[in-house]
Amino acid sequence: AQTVTQSQPEMSVQEAETVTLSCTYDTSESNYYLFWYKQPPSRQMILVIRQEAYKQQNATENRFSVNFQKAAKSFSLKISDSQLGDTAMYFCAFTKGGSEKLVFGKGTKLTVNP
Amino acid sequence: SQTIHQWPATLVQPVGSPLSLECTVEGTSNPNLYWYRQAAGRGLQLLFYSVGIGQISSEVPQNLSASRPQDRQFILSSKKLLLSDSGFYLCAWSPWDRWETQYFGPGTRLLVL
Repeated sequence: AQTVTQSQPEMSVQEAETVTLSCTYDTSESNYYLFWYKQPPSRQMILVIRQEAYKQQNATENRFSVNFQKAAKSFSLKISDSQLGDTAMYFCAFTKGGSEKLVFGKGTKLTVNP
Repeated sequence: SQTIHQWPATLVQPVGSPLSLECTVEGTSNPNLYWYRQAAGRGLQLLFYSVGIGQISSEVPQNLSASRPQDRQFILSSKKLLLSDSGFYLCAWSPWDRWETQYFGPGTRLLVL
């Protein structure tokens, strides 16, 4: 079974600085997808970024980028120029190709301080 | 563009009462639909998913059930609520041709007293 591990329960960063959230996963699949979701205090889950395993290029979305290390099964999220609105729980998630099921990590609570 | 709606936003129900939560998606056809539960301070647990009208797959045995009476409507129900049913319920959808990517609704906070 696939597992997703987020080893940092909580993190904090100063506004305008850069922070990296860690995620590791375990799978024997070759075709899979990885995601980062953000859950602000409103609790709606918002898709931040998506990575296909077959793509070597790291995904980026504005201030958000990932460091995808396939051999190490690592998928970290970097947030540049942190903003107060980035304060949220961040969940790493995995799904194998052809599956309807997302496997989530337990989340990292990020606080951006002014 | 696609949007997903859930209602009610908040619900307080007594133990033993019935439950009906509704989720609808606009702007797409034949989506995959999902129900998740998130207990306080915990991750997401997949409850049900549906790949088409009347097609429901259950992930966790419990006193909840799901139905999909229309293409873009997904309903979560219970005949008798338990205290342990309290939590945050999220509906999600994914495109039929890109089902690996799920998009979530605003959620429903359920408190069973």
